[in-house]
Amino acid sequence: SQQGEEDPQALSIQEGENATMNCSYKTSINNLQWYRQNSGRGLVHLILIRSNEREKHSGRLRVTLDTSKKSSSLLITASRAADTASYFCATDYGGANSKLTFGKGITLSVRP
Amino acid sequence: NAGVTQTPKFQVLKTGQSMTLQCAQDMNHEYMSWYRQDPGMGLRLIHYSVGAGITDQGEVPNGYNVSRSTTEDFPLRLLSAAPSQTSVYFCASSLSGGALTQYFGPGTRLLVL
Repeated sequence: SQQGEEDPQALSIQEGENATMNCSYKTSINNLQWYRQNSGRGLVHLILIRSNEREKHSGRLRVTLDTSKKSSSLLITASRAADTASYFCATDYGGANSKLTFGKGITLSVRP
Repeated sequence: NAGVTQTPKFQVLKTGQSMTLQCAQDMNHEYMSWYRQDPGMGLRLIHYSVGAGITDQGEVPNGYNVSRSTTEDFPLRLLSAAPSQTSVYFCASSLSGGALTQYFGPGTRLLVL
């Protein structure tokens, strides 16, 4: 399977702390995306980073991509209780009719 | 815009029964897809469509049929439900391709007894 692998599987932090989540993948990609899923809801797109980009920001989110290590990280700064959710990385390996391959997700709990 | 809508929200079936999960989007997206989400497995692609009249299989297509007669609608049919199809099903759409930002529906929780 070419599924990306997130690490850790679960993360519990205190409100105000930073949360760092990692994703590793196996082969070259066109882009990598991060999604959030609140309990019982559909996934919501957070950020997309292309293979020729190294870092992107969106509000309190910072995503980095290291293509030499085939890995990405998602940093949430100054976390809030509302950030409690599952986070998924999704990779596009390119090719005809390219599609996203989702990882198994990271469960983030932010304690108030 | 309502975005991506799915019906029903929850369904219980008996083994062997058939049903159709409905998905609609009002964003004029060309690409639509169906995923299933199981504990510890992440999201797995069942079927997808790159436009009206065109469908293709994803990673786990067995036991499911799809059709795409309009841009807006992409129903998923279970012909003869099995307990292994107990899952949460998500429909998603994107402007023009599976590798672009996906917009997800709220999901349908299916229990097959």
